[in-house]
Amino acid sequence: QSALTQPASVSGSPGQSITISCTGTSSDVGTYNYVSWYQQHPGKAPKLMIFDVSNRPSGVSNRFSGSKSGNTASLTISGLQAEDEADYYCNSYTTRYTYVFGSGTTVTVL
Amino acid sequence: QVQLVQSGAEVKKPGASVEVSCKASGYTFTKHTIHWVRQAPGQRLEWMGWIKSDTGDPQYSQRFRGRVTLTRDTSADTSYMGLSRLTSEDTAVYYCARENTGGGGVFEIWGQGTMVTVSS
Repeated sequence: QSALTQPASVSGSPGQSITISCTGTSSDVGTYNYVSWYQQHPGKAPKLMIFDVSNRPSGVSNRFSGSKSGNTASLTISGLQAEDEADYYCNSYTTRYTYVFGSGTTVTVL
Repeated sequence: QVQLVQSGAEVKKPGASVEVSCKASGYTFTKHTIHWVRQAPGQRLEWMGWIKSDTGDPQYSQRFRGRVTLTRDTSADTSYMGLSRLTSEDTAVYYCARENTGGGGVFEIWGQGTMVTVSS
């Protein structure tokens, strides 16, 4: 199972909005609404930011939102803040009861 | 509080095997599936497999099938990840993660990670 495709890096100025894409296939993102997004700061465990495509766990800022169209899911961060600088990974359920992560995106706040 | 505590760092020689443990506390162990994820230095997260804590049924990523074994001990509220025939490419931080009861790969609780170094 190949990794889902994400841009290697995305940057934005404080206050701006950025969007990270996550492209899969009809065997994963395109068929199942089990897409989640994780934020990871250096040396730390990942943190769940979005689940089931567009749902936010309790405690996660409403500046984070998710969506999906066809084989591509997206994570949007609005009102970008310095603390949002981190790596972001998408994850999707696939056929045969397995999961796959994305290639990862480094977000830089300029 | 709900937490997963993993065993300490390991250093292994090529060809050896390693077992990492993941002890759960603060919740009913058998109600949640445990997933294992690894991350090589500077690389992406990589999903390895899951184990249902009630039945012990595992599911493995095709990439690791034949080398990875997931088990659990309900009397100790602990899950285990065993990896055999280690090579330098297995040098990574290994995480366990608790899946929410709704399934769908929703991992709200993670262990602190266990560094496994494979070196001759």
